[in-house]
Amino acid sequence: DAGVIQSPRHEVTEMGQEVTLRCKPISGHNSLFWYRQTMMRGLELLIYFNNNVPIDDSGMPEDRFSAKMPNASFSTLKIQPSEPRDSAVYFCASSTPTAFEAFFGQGTRLTVV
Amino acid sequence: AQSVTQPDIHITVSEGASLELRCNYSYGATPYLFWYVQSPGQGLQLLLKYFSGDTLVQGIKGFEAEFKRSQSSFNLRKPSVHWSDAAEYFCAVATGGGNKLTFGTGTQLKVEL
Repeated sequence: DAGVIQSPRHEVTEMGQEVTLRCKPISGHNSLFWYRQTMMRGLELLIYFNNNVPIDDSGMPEDRFSAKMPNASFSTLKIQPSEPRDSAVYFCASSTPTAFEAFFGQGTRLTVV
Repeated sequence: AQSVTQPDIHITVSEGASLELRCNYSYGATPYLFWYVQSPGQGLQLLLKYFSGDTLVQGIKGFEAEFKRSQSSFNLRKPSVHWSDAAEYFCAVATGGGNKLTFGTGTQLKVEL
């Protein structure tokens, strides 16, 4: 298995632009998580899905952030409009519901200038 | 709410020396505990996990961790550190009712040759 695949690996965008981050979970995993990592706040869970349904989005910082999982093999995290304070590394992870063991992608480093 | 504390932000050890990274958790029920390692520019890789049973768990790369309920701790150990172990280490707890992880702030390990 190729593991959790995230794209792009790096994204530089201007403030106000829309940004879309993509994630392909491990086949057979039906839980998917989006995390954000910054120096100031560490690793924060933004949202997670079970069976393509959002279960907990309490970590989504504000309405500018949205996440979707249209099918079991694809998820997106969208920021619109982006702001410099959104600059961070965004990780996607997947797991089976009972394993509690999350497998992480390599992350997308987002820079908003 | 559950929380994880890693009291050491940075640790430096000499190659070949033993290592112990501290982790304390706060959670009302039996915790599911994890240690992850993150190399620069990479995602998080699972080192080991504790769900139940034997309180001393073995992981990959020669790491082990011991769950001590009385101390609410789950410290990570390695008898002899290699230069390639230099990385950031994260302790995490999963809630029993779901599989989302709460991470500690991480410990940056530096290995002196």
